[in-house]
Amino acid sequence: AQSVTQLDSQVPVFEEAPVELRCNYSSSVSVYLFWYVQYPNQGLQLLLKYLSGSTLVKGINGFEAEFNKSQTSFHLRKPSVHISDTAEYFCCTGNQFYFGTGTSLTVIP
Amino acid sequence: DAGITQSPRHKVTETGTPVTLRCHQTENHRYMYWYRQDPGHGLRLIHYSYGVKDTDKGEVSDGYSVSRSKTEDFLLTLESATSSQTSVYFCAISERVGGSNYGYTFGSGTRLTVV
Repeated sequence: AQSVTQLDSQVPVFEEAPVELRCNYSSSVSVYLFWYVQYPNQGLQLLLKYLSGSTLVKGINGFEAEFNKSQTSFHLRKPSVHISDTAEYFCCTGNQFYFGTGTSLTVIP
Repeated sequence: DAGITQSPRHKVTETGTPVTLRCHQTENHRYMYWYRQDPGHGLRLIHYSYGVKDTDKGEVSDGYSVSRSKTEDFLLTLESATSSQTSVYFCAISERVGGSNYGYTFGSGTRLTVV
């Protein structure tokens, strides 16, 4: 069965610093991968997705992720974070129904 | 979220009572899902549906049942609510092709408290 692991449950970072949120998946087959963001007291919104093609995927709000098949990773990055990026971030796959346990990003002024 | 609504948004109920949560979509998507979100567990699938009257269990289905009599509506019922079912419940919809999900659209959630 395919699953995802989010390696960091909480990530504090100062405003305007870069950030990387890590996600590893386990699968020997082709994968679809997604990152979702959940702002406080809201539902989840799609940040970006990898279906095929270029391994560097750009999403909304300046986020990007790189699909790395050899390392079975799909890490999320942003070069300069804002206070408004404070949220919960979830990685998930498209081949099953499972989400990672989430990474809470806190941007410190 | 646009195209998917959940009701109610908040509910407080007593232990042992039945509770039904409703999910309504206007996107005509075949697949609908119920997840619960709890601290430290992320989102866990309760049940999902792949068509009218076609449903299947997820990883935390005990104590829950679902029904889908129309494409647009997916109901989640807690048969006899317990305190362990206090959670935030999310409905989601998606299109799937060849067994692969092209991405979910989520509702705004229902915060359920069982006292």
